[in-house]
Amino acid sequence: GQQVMQIPQYQHVQEGEDFTTYCNSSTTLSNIQWYKQRPGGHPVFLIQLVKSGEVKKQKRLTFQFGEAKKNSSLHITATQTTDVGTYFCAGHGSSNTGKLIFGQGTTLQVKP
Amino acid sequence: DSGVTQTPKHLITATGQRVTLRCSPRSGDLSVYWYQQSLDQGLQFLIQYYNGEERAKGNILERFSAQQFPDLHSELNLSSLELGDSALYFCASSVGVRTGPDLFFGSGTQLSVL
Repeated sequence: GQQVMQIPQYQHVQEGEDFTTYCNSSTTLSNIQWYKQRPGGHPVFLIQLVKSGEVKKQKRLTFQFGEAKKNSSLHITATQTTDVGTYFCAGHGSSNTGKLIFGQGTTLQVKP
Repeated sequence: DSGVTQTPKHLITATGQRVTLRCSPRSGDLSVYWYQQSLDQGLQFLIQYYNGEERAKGNILERFSAQQFPDLHSELNLSSLELGDSALYFCASSVGVRTGPDLFFGSGTQLSVL
């Protein structure tokens, strides 16, 4: 079945450093979504990428969707303590359902 | 507040027991999804209902079942519970069949099987 792999599993950075998490799917995705889960919280939708090669920015966050629509990345510039949490990518296959396959997530710790 | 309501927030039970988790979707949302989150498995898709009908199934165990009622709330039934079923169970909802920027998660039910 479809699998979505995400690396690294954990990342500790000093406040102000950059952070990147990578997501790879075993199959071509119709779109990819990114979510953030704060400690003790629930996943919150960040963004959806649909087009091959698409790049979207949200302030210090940059999201990319690969040309083959099988990989994606999230880059945070100059991390802040408020960026702490687990970042998940989630992929949609081509079926007409809402089934999202989540990556394992990357947990980001930011040291002040 | 996402608008998705899950009850109870915490549930402690024993092996072999049966529990029911409840979810009320956001007003106007027709799809309800159930996810299981455990430390070693991440977020696992269990099942989706759309307007009362099962729409998609993930790796949901045969001991688990779900349904969506006419008022669109959903229940996830877990039976013959095992220690490994201990996890955080999330419900999410969206307007349509496919998820997009309108997918919202509830706060989850933390299930502990002792």
